[in-house]
Amino acid sequence: QVQLQESGPGLVKPSETLSLTCTVSGDSISSSNYYWGWIRQPPGKGLEWIGTIYYSGSTYYNPSLKSRVTISVDTSKNQFSLKLSSVTAADTAVYYCARRRFGDYWFDPWGQGTLVTVSS
Amino acid sequence: QSVLTQPPSVSAAPGQKVTISCSGSSSNIGNNFVSWYQQLPGTAPKLLIYENNKRPSGIPDRFSGSKSGTSATLGITGLQTGDEADYYCGTWDSSLNAGYVFGTGTKVTVL
Repeated sequence: QVQLQESGPGLVKPSETLSLTCTVSGDSISSSNYYWGWIRQPPGKGLEWIGTIYYSGSTYYNPSLKSRVTISVDTSKNQFSLKLSSVTAADTAVYYCARRRFGDYWFDPWGQGTLVTVSS
Repeated sequence: QSVLTQPPSVSAAPGQKVTISCSGSSSNIGNNFVSWYQQLPGTAPKLLIYENNKRPSGIPDRFSGSKSGTSATLGITGLQTGDEADYYCGTWDSSLNAGYVFGTGTKVTVL
């Protein structure tokens, strides 16, 4: 059974870069069957898709975040990562990683999420 | 700001039925499959419905989904206290600002 686990700093200073990693277990991130994505949820608010990566490195980003987002994959560690630059308090959120089957348009399963607070 | 609109909240007594609407446009719901997610308090979202009306293994048939034109609906029958959660619709948007989009979310309260 595939499991995803987010990790990274829980506190980031304004203007700095937020960096998170999602470790995948129970499945190979190199599988051609899946995309791997990041979604976030500000406290008390709804879900926002950040972006998705294929094992080959092809990426798809939310246009509203595209200029600040980089998603990469490390097949040797079975991990994929998120970098969000020039963060502000508006980027404070729970960040989730999730899997999406190639050709499908839903996310399943999701990681448990990790809260990242942007504050000085 | 989400392009998919849901009512902020719905409520009903135990055993009753609720429906949650998700309104979009031809660039998203109108031309793509809709999925629904359940988010219990303090937990990650969980897939509830995919491809408009299909349930993943383990999801009871009290949960159902449908789609018509540019709107989709989630139905929950035999409401239970454990169904109190936030529910989100989601789909792909094929417009110039393409990407995956979620609904605004609906809080279900069991009275």
